[in-house]
Amino acid sequence: AQTVTQSQPEMSVQEAETVTLSCTYDTSESDYYLFWYKQPPSRQMILVIRQEAYKQQNATENRFSVNFQKAAKSFSLKISDSQLGDAAMYFCAYHKLVFGAGTILRVKS
Amino acid sequence: DTEVTQTPKHLVMGMTNKKSLKCEQHMGHRAMYWYKQKAKKPPELMFVYSYEKLSINESVPSRFSPECPNSSLLNLHLHALQPEDSALYLCASSQRQSSNQPQHFGDGTRLSIL
Repeated sequence: AQTVTQSQPEMSVQEAETVTLSCTYDTSESDYYLFWYKQPPSRQMILVIRQEAYKQQNATENRFSVNFQKAAKSFSLKISDSQLGDAAMYFCAYHKLVFGAGTILRVKS
Repeated sequence: DTEVTQTPKHLVMGMTNKKSLKCEQHMGHRAMYWYKQKAKKPPELMFVYSYEKLSINESVPSRFSPECPNSSLLNLHLHALQPEDSALYLCASSQRQSSNQPQHFGDGTRLSIL
């Protein structure tokens, strides 16, 4: 069975700084997809970024980028120029509907 | 704007009540999902419907009964729930039930069992 591990229950970042959220996963499959979702307090969960395992190039969406290390089964999320609106719980997800435990990100002004 | 609409937003019910949660999307998605989420925990998959047919049932107790009347609607019928069933219930949809499809989530229904 696939598993997803987020080892950082909480992280803090100063506004305008950069923060990296960690995610590792375990799978025996060679082709798969990985996602990062953001869930602000009392708000809906939304997709932040998606990575296809067969693509070596790391996905980027504006201030959000990933560091995908397939051999290490690592899929970290980097948020640049952090903003107050980035404060949320972030979930790493493996394509077969498996979610990590989540990381609460706090942004300090 | 929320493209997946869930009603009601809040629901309080007794353990002997019968109620239903509703979910609607008009994006033409053919896969719909129910999740249960406890506070500060990840969503736990309950059911998946693909083309209006139940595709996945994650061994959910029979007091939860899903229904997909058409491609836009997904219901979750509740009966004889337990206090531990109090949680946020999330509905999601995706174009297809395939691995590369991201899910679109609703705001959820916050359910409290007295």
